[in-house]
Amino acid sequence: GESVGLHLPTLSVQEGDNSIINCAYSNSASDYFIWYKQESGKGPQFIIDIRSNMDKRQGQRVTVLLNKTVKHLSLQIAATQPGDSAVYFCAEIVSNQFYFGTGTSLTVIP
Amino acid sequence: DTEVTQTPKHLVMGMTNKKSLKCEQHMGHRAMYWYKQKAKKPPELMFVYSYEKLSINESVPSRFSPECPNSSLLNLHLHALQPEDSALYLCASSRIRTTRYGYTFGSGTRLTVV
Repeated sequence: GESVGLHLPTLSVQEGDNSIINCAYSNSASDYFIWYKQESGKGPQFIIDIRSNMDKRQGQRVTVLLNKTVKHLSLQIAATQPGDSAVYFCAEIVSNQFYFGTGTSLTVIP
Repeated sequence: DTEVTQTPKHLVMGMTNKKSLKCEQHMGHRAMYWYKQKAKKPPELMFVYSYEKLSINESVPSRFSPECPNSSLLNLHLHALQPEDSALYLCASSRIRTTRYGYTFGSGTRLTVV
């Protein structure tokens, strides 16, 4: 399969700070990149996606940045809240196939 | 309805038992998936159904038997499982062409094999 990996397996941030979760990918032919949030005991939940011809996309408190030169994707969460504590997966869609990255566990410290 | 519903939420079964996991969606998605997920790991694809036909089997042992009775339902029949099969089993659905939004996942069935 394709290689979609994350730089850090765990991340701890103070409540109110901004969080940055990173992801590296290897396939230049990706069509879309997606970030999922998975809370304990639940299935992955779609957060935001970005098309491969875009550099940046913003949602509510989240921003995804795509750097195709270095094949790097990041998810920025503004003003991190305790409810943001979860495992975050990046995923890519290549030729209609879906590939998960390895995941980063985000812990928000009150 | 924008959800994938899985039942049961929790299941404990012995190694000689037969049980089934159920999944339902009413979003008109014609692709449905079973994933297995171990703790702190990404979901691993098991089976893919496209238009109610099995299109991908990722070399899953025969003790796992999928079934797609219609376009809204997906089952996973379990028989003679091993303790290492204990995991979160996720169902997902999508449009046939997986463009943006990716897959919609259910909350999963937490399976424990004793």
